[in-house]
Amino acid sequence: QTVLTQPASLSASPGTSVSLTCTLRSDIYVRNYRMFWYQQKPGSPPQFLLRYKSDSDKQQGPGVPRRFSGSTDVSANAGILVISGLQSEDEGDYYCVIWSNTTWAFGGGTKVTVL
Amino acid sequence: QVQLQESGPRLVKPSETLSLSCSVSGASINNYWWSWIRLAPGKGLEFIGNFHPSGLTLHNPSLKSRVTISIDTSKNELSLSLTSVTAADTAVYYCARGGGYPSAFDLWGQGTMVNVSS
Repeated sequence: QTVLTQPASLSASPGTSVSLTCTLRSDIYVRNYRMFWYQQKPGSPPQFLLRYKSDSDKQQGPGVPRRFSGSTDVSANAGILVISGLQSEDEGDYYCVIWSNTTWAFGGGTKVTVL
Repeated sequence: QVQLQESGPRLVKPSETLSLSCSVSGASINNYWWSWIRLAPGKGLEFIGNFHPSGLTLHNPSLKSRVTISIDTSKNELSLSLTSVTAADTAVYYCARGGGYPSAFDLWGQGTMVNVSS
């Protein structure tokens, strides 16, 4: 069973807030993991956005705007990347990743389209 | 400014060995963990393995024993060897700084596309 599951795509209008979910496999619990988020634009390597485990254990990537933030939904066993005030430059693929079972596990990625 | 640059053959035949290098400039390779990650067409990112100059290394279990990662401190270079390749190994290969838990990957190379085909 896949460790991390992300919706394949998401579309939204400029200026809106979007939540990208990353759901953990049922036998591992989001509270126990630092989740890292990356943004990848076509033709470019992934860029580190942020790390989130809790409000007391989080880190913003260098130069990453505060409109990118992390959270968790414990009931859904999911990590969440929130993009506030969506902009056209936010189009791209977004990946979550955790350290699990002595390896890094990536989600399949969510393609964000700005309408 | 720290930069990473991957290099190696763009085409590898099935069953042969894929060999890539990653040249690091602007930082000593001795001070960090280093990793290889790939992105296959139509798929998501996949961790291949990491390496620390102390000799610690971890590989993705899904790649079994096909992976060897090493560093050459005299050249400030990271290397990847992937044996017995198949079409499923066709991907963009990235080297990245970091990947030694609890830190993930904070800096990436531009990536190099490798096709496995006869």
